Amino acid sequence: GQNIDQPTEMTATEGAIVQINCTYQTSGFNGLFWYQQHAGEAPTFLSYNVLDGLEEKGRFSSFLSRSKGYSYLLLKELQMKDSASYLCAVPNDYKLSFGAGTTVTVRA
Amino acid sequence: DADVTQTPRNRITKTGKRIMLECSQTKGHDRMYWYRQDPGLGLRLIYYSFDVKDINKGEISDGYSVSRQAQAKFSLSLESAIPNQTALYFCATSSGTSGYNEQFFGPGTRLTVL
Repeated sequence: GQNIDQPTEMTATEGAIVQINCTYQTSGFNGLFWYQQHAGEAPTFLSYNVLDGLEEKGRFSSFLSRSKGYSYLLLKELQMKDSASYLCAVPNDYKLSFGAGTTVTVRA
Repeated sequence: DADVTQTPRNRITKTGKRIMLECSQTKGHDRMYWYRQDPGLGLRLIYYSFDVKDINKGEISDGYSVSRQAQAKFSLSLESAIPNQTALYFCATSSGTSGYNEQFFGPGTRLTVL
């Protein structure tokens, strides 16, 4: 089975940087997804990492260490619209197992 | 136009009623999923289908059933609704053509069982 842990909440100031950590335990690793979900809306895809290292997409970057069972999502130059939940997910037999999500609140 | 649609978007019903939530997609994906989301628990998989003739239980299928009427349609039924089925329900699709594909989510259905 999958065991995925991420912090419940984080708060940061507009313009700052926030790092959301995700640790996982899985039998057979096949990559890791990050999704963004605004309150009451559908999750939307942010990133997929299958190899170790950092992948950057504009203000958002995602890092993976397979040996440590660890990933993080880095949000830079925070904007108010980044206030959302961020979900870490691991494939499991062609399904996805999700963490409970990290709610990020951006303050002015 | 939305690629994954869900109807209804909101529903209030009473304990014991039968409820059907519908999902349609125009993405041409073979794989479809139903999740429920509860505060603090994240997304949990109820049922999934990899093609029209394939139906599989997820981690919390008790009290639910599904029907894959066509490649584009996947319905979730609550045979006799109970209050602890109050939640936000999402349908999702993925292509499944290679490896692990991202899932695309519908807008969700907020269900309240009184």
